[in-house]
Formats: sequence, structure tokens, C-alpha cells
Amino acid sequence: ETGVTQSPTHLIKTRGQQVTLRCSSQSGHNTVSWYQQALGQGPQFIFQYYREEENGRGNFPPRFSGLQFPNYSSELNVNALELDDSALYLCASSLDRGTGELFFGEGSRLTVL
Amino acid sequence: GENVEQHPSTLSVQEGDSAVIKCTYSDSASNYFPWYKQELGKRPQLIIDIRSNVGEKKDQRIAVTLNKTAKHFSLHITETQPEDSAVYFCAASKGSGGYQKVTFGTGTKLQVIP
Repeated sequence: ETGVTQSPTHLIKTRGQQVTLRCSSQSGHNTVSWYQQALGQGPQFIFQYYREEENGRGNFPPRFSGLQFPNYSSELNVNALELDDSALYLCASSLDRGTGELFFGEGSRLTVL
Repeated sequence: GENVEQHPSTLSVQEGDSAVIKCTYSDSASNYFPWYKQELGKRPQLIIDIRSNVGEKKDQRIAVTLNKTAKHFSLHITETQPEDSAVYFCAASKGSGGYQKVTFGTGTKLQVIP
């Protein structure tokens, strides 16, 4: 069974740039969620994808967008980066008919200068 | 939306003592309450969870209690060991099928002193 993998693990961008983060779900999982974890804080829900459609969104502006592909992998795109976007971005996969447990990747640490 | 508050933010205990972390939630529709452990530089991992139709659940040294009326739930770790040192997050979730929104607390940094 393959776990959740994310790429890249670390990246540095400058304010105003755009970034794409990638996530491969755990084998058999059809639901993917993205979370932003600022230093010393709990993960904040960005959005969730199920069957390639966004079906839930947290309190994040439209410049945060995503995609889910037929193989259930996913992308998080952030446009017009701001300094406050610096954080660890966690992808979590789950099964729609599962227990509700989230299986997290190791995260992508984004630094915006 | 849901709001989850978690206390304390830091907790130091001697090895062998018990540790208790408390959380409250605001949305009475939340029906699933997981606890995640995050070691430094690692991913959060589920350690125990409880559903709204259950008042208490235990797994070896870890137990969770839920009071739906008061909207609070707690994590209890007994006989703490140095490897229990980590940040613990409570969370509240609602939804079913392909939709599940999980709201996390702000975390408790537990330090177990040998």
C-alpha cells in the first residue's frame, strides 16, 4: 500500500509569484483535502476534492485553487503569493466510505520572500 | 463555521505521569472527533478517534472522552513515556460520503521529562 506523497518538499518563492504543489493519494483513496499549517498552528482546511470536483472550501481566497485528476492525485495552486502564504501545506487523502481518518503526506514547506 | 479550542498549549509532565488535553467545539452537528499526533518535522498521524454516539474510547495508554451536551472532549495519556513527546491536535468533523470538513485545534506541545 502506497502512502500519500507530496512534491516538492521545500520551495522558496518571491511575493507575487505562483506556485503549484502536487499530491498523490494513498492507494484506493478517492478524496483529497489540502491544509495550510502555519508555524506553531493547527492545520487549516483549504478545500477538498471528491470525484474531481471541489466539494468543500475553507476561508481561503480564490487565488487558492486546485485540481483532482482521474487517478485521484491532486494539485494546489496559489497565485499572487503573499508573505503570509509561507507555511507547510499538507495534503490528506481519505476514502469516502471510510472511517473518516485522514492520511497525511509529509507536506510541502513554502517560503515566500 | 466550526471553532475548536484546545488547552493547554504546552504541557510538561514527568515520565510515568498522566497527561490530559482538553478541547471544545462549537458546531453541534460535528459527529467525529479525531486526535492527531505530530512529531517534529513529521506528518500528523491519527492516534485515536471517537464518534458522537460513544462517550469514551480507550486504546492501551490512550483514552478519549466526549461530552456532547457540553461540546467538549478530552485526550488522556497514562504512564507517559519520552516517545509521547510531540504536538497533539484535536479535531472536529462533520459530513459523510465524499465530503468531510475537519477543523483542527491549535495544538498542545507535550513534553515528557525522563
